Amino acid sequence: NAGVTQTPKFQVLKTGQSMTLQCAQDMNHEYMSWYRQDPGMGLRLIHYSVGAGITDQGEVPNGYNVSRSTTEDFPLRLLSAAPSQTSVYFCASSYWTGTGENEKLFFGSGTQLSVL
Amino acid sequence: AQSVAQPEDQVNVAEGNPLTVKCTYSVSGNPYLFWYVQYPNRGLQFLLKYITGDNLVKGSYGFEAEFNKSQTSFHLKKPSALVSDSALYFCAVREKSGGYNKLIFGAGTRLAVHP
Repeated sequence: NAGVTQTPKFQVLKTGQSMTLQCAQDMNHEYMSWYRQDPGMGLRLIHYSVGAGITDQGEVPNGYNVSRSTTEDFPLRLLSAAPSQTSVYFCASSYWTGTGENEKLFFGSGTQLSVL
Repeated sequence: AQSVAQPEDQVNVAEGNPLTVKCTYSVSGNPYLFWYVQYPNRGLQFLLKYITGDNLVKGSYGFEAEFNKSQTSFHLKKPSALVSDSALYFCAVREKSGGYNKLIFGAGTRLAVHP
């Protein structure tokens, strides 16, 4: 199994450009999420999904869109990139047991994004 | 809202010595607490979790964590540090929101183990 795969690993954008960060998992996990990691701030949740067609906002959703059309894929879209979105982005997934016990997350290796 | 705090940006320890990485929490209700580790250029990896029961939780790579309700702490420990333990360590707490659970992470503590 590949686990959680993120592409690209690195990306440089100009302010105002849009792009999609890809995330795919092959573990049949219902729960998928996106975090951004900034120095001194840990990881902050952007959006998450508990199954195909179901998404919700996390702590810092502004400027980002998500959709979940399949169990495997959970892309993150930057609508109009801003320098404040320069960060390392991580996708994570886990099983959804129905009781809420979804806390063992499996992380991808990250996408380092720079917005100039 | 639930939160965790990691009071040390960096912890330095000599190889072979015991190590402690500190975490304190603020929750309403019973806490569900976790430790994750991040090696360079990698995603986070689950180490261990506390849900209920024994206050000493054992996890991967020889790590353990001690839950202390009176001090609202969940410190990560290892009896004998290895150079390969050098990494970024994150404490996290589960928060229930709208019927779903999500993890709230601390800012992280960098552990440096010196030969």
